[in-house]
Amino acid sequence: QSALTQPASVSGSPGQSITISCTGTSSDVGGYNYVSWYQQHPGKAPKLMIYEVSNRPSGVSNRFSGSKSGNTASLTISGLQAEDEADYYCSSYTSSSTLVYVFGTGTKVTVL
Amino acid sequence: QVQLQESGPGLVKPSQTLSLTCTVSGGSISSGGYYWSWIRQHPGKGLEWIGYIYYSGSTYYNPSLKSRVTISVDTSKNQFSLKLSSVTAADTAVYYCARVQVLGTFLDYWGQGTLVTVSS
Repeated sequence: QSALTQPASVSGSPGQSITISCTGTSSDVGGYNYVSWYQQHPGKAPKLMIYEVSNRPSGVSNRFSGSKSGNTASLTISGLQAEDEADYYCSSYTSSSTLVYVFGTGTKVTVL
Repeated sequence: QVQLQESGPGLVKPSQTLSLTCTVSGGSISSGGYYWSWIRQHPGKGLEWIGYIYYSGSTYYNPSLKSRVTISVDTSKNQFSLKLSSVTAADTAVYYCARVQVLGTFLDYWGQGTLVTVSS
């Protein structure tokens, strides 16, 4: 089961916008609108930030947005804040595994 | 508000079986529409699916762990459990239980996680 590919790290200054990519294949990201994104602060459980490519759960800031083009999904954080510094993981439904779900490799976001 | 809480030993000896239970509150496991899952995270590493179960008992396991994993559900106690046999130091990780929306395939509620160390 191959993980989705994310950049190891992304950084930005407060107030800036950053984008995290999540690259898969036509068997997962490209084939279905079932991409989700999770934020994880150190020592804490992951938190759902985006589901079904671009939907935000109640309570999640509208500074977080998701999109997809071909086999690559993206999470954009606008108006970057210190509290956004965390690890971010994408996940997708996959037809190439009996497990049906696959995570991304994770991205460390640093607020400069 | 749905809450999940992992419980079980924090230290397991090599070759033994790791056993964890996830207690669900604020919602019924039997209500359908959700998979109940186990995910782990090795120290400093990314997230890894272990597997998940439907309230009916249907299970799905990560192929890389399938020979050692058993996930079960006890609807009367609103709990589901993980057993991982023949553990080694490589199974040392934080173990999370989480709820998966079947429609949409996203994890909307997570437990706080529990660190399990495999050591003699």
